[in-house]
Amino acid sequence: DVKVTQSSRYLVKRTGEKVFLECVQDMDHENMFWYRQDPGLGLRLIYFSYDVKMKEKGDIPEGYSVSREKKERFSLILESASTNQTSMYLCASSPTPYGLAGTSGANVLTFGAGSRLTVL
Amino acid sequence: GQQLNQSPQSMFIQEGEDVSMNCTSSSIFNTWLWYKQDPGEGPVLLIALYKAGELTSNGRLTAQFGITRKDSFLNISASIPSDVGIYFCAGHSNAGGTSYGKLTFGQGTILTVHP
Repeated sequence: DVKVTQSSRYLVKRTGEKVFLECVQDMDHENMFWYRQDPGLGLRLIYFSYDVKMKEKGDIPEGYSVSREKKERFSLILESASTNQTSMYLCASSPTPYGLAGTSGANVLTFGAGSRLTVL
Repeated sequence: GQQLNQSPQSMFIQEGEDVSMNCTSSSIFNTWLWYKQDPGEGPVLLIALYKAGELTSNGRLTAQFGITRKDSFLNISASIPSDVGIYFCAGHSNAGGTSYGKLTFGQGTILTVHP
């Protein structure tokens, strides 16, 4: 089975702290994504990476940065955490951009279980 | 930017009832996707729709890609307690200024099923 593992399920941090959220996938996928999930807002893309050391901003990149030094690992960094960054963070991976294979196959965007971050 | 309006926001139903939820947009999408998120887990794909008018089933689930390409619905028949969770629609388009296009998620529908 494709596995996307987010090492920290629950974190509590203080305002101003630097926060690292780690994500590892074991299926040799090219593309990795970080989403933020908030009630009533759905999933919003923060950043994605389509190759090692490559990254693209999503819809809400402000206050976040990312690192992809190895194919299997994609890290989300909050340089100085703020209370409005309290949220559920979801990592995902796929062999194609957004996991879309057009009309030829099923979508294979695979999500991790999420990291719930609380910033006090 | 592109937005998807998903409704209803939440549903409380009795086991055995049918469920219907939908997503609408002012923008056209090339692909519609429906995901389910179980409590404490990440979303998992239920159904993918690639053509306008397409109707696809997955067990008790049926989803349709609207003819106008601006909407999609998901029906669940004869609900059971394990249907509990958050259901998300997502639409993919070629917008966004990159070769990857853009995937936009709806706000989610929280489904509660009473035994």
